[in-house]
Amino acid sequence: EAGVAQSPRYKIIEKRQSVAFWCNPISGHATLYWYQQILGQGPKLLIQFQNNGVVDDSQLPKDRFSAERLKGVDSTLKIQPAKLEDSAVYLCASKKTGGTNTGELFFGEGSRLTVL
Amino acid sequence: GEDVEQSLFLSVREGDSSVINCTYTDSSSTYLYWYKQEPGAGLQLLTYIFSNMDMKQDQRLTVLLNKKDKHLSLRIADTQTGDSAIYFCAPLTGGGNKLTFGTGTQLKVEL
Repeated sequence: EAGVAQSPRYKIIEKRQSVAFWCNPISGHATLYWYQQILGQGPKLLIQFQNNGVVDDSQLPKDRFSAERLKGVDSTLKIQPAKLEDSAVYLCASKKTGGTNTGELFFGEGSRLTVL
Repeated sequence: GEDVEQSLFLSVREGDSSVINCTYTDSSSTYLYWYKQEPGAGLQLLTYIFSNMDMKQDQRLTVLLNKKDKHLSLRIADTQTGDSAIYFCAPLTGGGNKLTFGTGTQLKVEL
């Protein structure tokens, strides 16, 4: 079974530029998450989708961050304009829903963003 | 919201046992997970415990849960250099939908 795929792995941009990250979850996983992990900290939830609907985006800085999950499969996370404090690893995760499962989240390797 | 705390750093000698502790605030947590993160890599699920259990053993790993004190611990027996990583405690709340991570404990295994 293929894991969660993310791209790009690394991105360096200047402040005020824009950037987009892409995530392809595990096939059949209805729930998709974007987490932000700043160096030295634990991952923080940015947004959660159930199929193509948003479940929780309470911690998403909506003035500059946006995310979508068209057709309930792939997702993109965009930052525009970027700030220095957005330098972090952006982790995508997916979860199977229904049936017997332990609620485990499966994570991609992350997209590391550096804002100069 | 949920608050999860861990000590930042733990150093042990190879072959010793490691104990990583975690405290959390949301008593409605259903599953409580331990994730491992190696440098430059994503998060890998190590083990988990359901909230109606006190203990779970999985090979070298033992998870202890004290629901009254909202305290979770992970014991790694016979710690090896390959166990060097950051370990995150993550309770599942929000009706089984929301995973909140602790600050992470960096485990360093010395020869």
